Order: sequence, then structure tokens, then C-alpha cells
Amino acid sequence: DVKVTQSSRYLVKRTGEKVFLECVQDMDHENMFWYRQDPGLGLRLIYFSYDVKMKEKGDIPEGYSVSREKKERFSLILESASTNQTSMYLCASSSPTDSATNEKLFFGSGTQLSVL
Amino acid sequence: KQEVTQIPAALSVPEGENLVLNCSFTDSAIYNLQWFRQDPGKGLTSLLLIQSSQREQTSGRLNASLDKSSGRSTLYIAASQPGDSATYLCAMRDANAGKSTFGDGTTLTVKP
Repeated sequence: DVKVTQSSRYLVKRTGEKVFLECVQDMDHENMFWYRQDPGLGLRLIYFSYDVKMKEKGDIPEGYSVSREKKERFSLILESASTNQTSMYLCASSSPTDSATNEKLFFGSGTQLSVL
Repeated sequence: KQEVTQIPAALSVPEGENLVLNCSFTDSAIYNLQWFRQDPGKGLTSLLLIQSSQREQTSGRLNASLDKSSGRSTLYIAASQPGDSATYLCAMRDANAGKSTFGDGTTLTVKP
């Protein structure tokens, strides 16, 4: 079975803390994505990556950064957590659009982050 | 910029009923369309994927269709069951950038 694993299911942090959310996929996918999901706002793309050491800003990158040092791992970093970053964070991966392999978008189970 | 709309936002039906969920999009230059299911507090589970060149896909009691010319997709659920209660989201994968744009979802409740 294909798998996208997010390191924490629930996380509670304090304002100003540096927060790391980790995501690992075992499908050798080139593309990886970080979304946040909020009631009434749907899924919004924060950052994505098409390859190792590559990153692209999504629709709401402010207050976030990412790291992709290895193909299977994509980390989301909150440099200084704020209360408005309390949200459900979802990681996803997929193969490239020119790939002949499975092109579905696969999601992890999510990390519910609370910033107090 | 792609915009994806799902109507209705919520739907409640009695068990056994057949139902249709709607998804509309503004940019027909899509690579594929994917329907997901999400249970409360959980991640998204893929249900069906339709390639841009396809018209429909079926899996069990689920059938998804795609009409690029009208910018619409539907998810048909036959003989609904209480276990089908969840939020259903559609997502359009961009033909060029590989990114996906999501609708806000339809929350389905199937009453026993």
C-alpha cells in the first residue's frame, strides 16, 4: 500500500516557538505538497516541491518555510508560531504530470496543530 | 486562476437513496480530476480519478463523470449507506504546474 506519513497527529505549541512538521512518502514521488485546512476556507496550498532541494510558494506561504533535502521527506517549518496558524495541516504527494505511473494525489492523515 | 465550486455545501438523505454531488470548475485546461472522501478530523482518501481524456470512472457504488466543455463533474453514489456519511471533495490537477485546486466540499449525511 502506498503511504504518506505525517509525524504527529496532534501538536500543541506556544506562540513564538519554532515548529517542524514532517512528512515522508514511500512511493518515490517527485511532487510533494503542504496544505492547511480551515473551516469555511477549504484546503489552501502553502508550499510545494517538484524535486529535491526545489520549492515553490503556494497561495499562502507567509509565515512558513519548507525543506526538501531527500526525495521522500518534505518538512514544513513555522519559524515563529502564531495563533492564526492553528489549523489542520495536510501533506500530499504525487508523480509528475508527464509520468506514466499512478498520478493520483495521496494524502497523509493530517496534523492538527494548536498554537496557544 | 482555477476556481472550483461544490454545490450543495451539505446534503442529508435517507439510507438507500441514490444521490449526485456536483463540482464545477472555471478552467478546462486540467490534467485530471480526483474525488476524495474525508472523515471528521482525518486526512483525504482518494475515491476516483478521471484523466482529462476520459468521461467517467466507476468503483463499486460510485461513478464519477467529467464534462470539460461545460466545466462540470459529478459523483454519483448508488444505494447510499450511513457509512457513506463524510465530506466529499473534488480536486482539479493543473495541466501545466501539477498543482491541484480543491472545492470546499459537500458534507453528506445518510440517515438510517
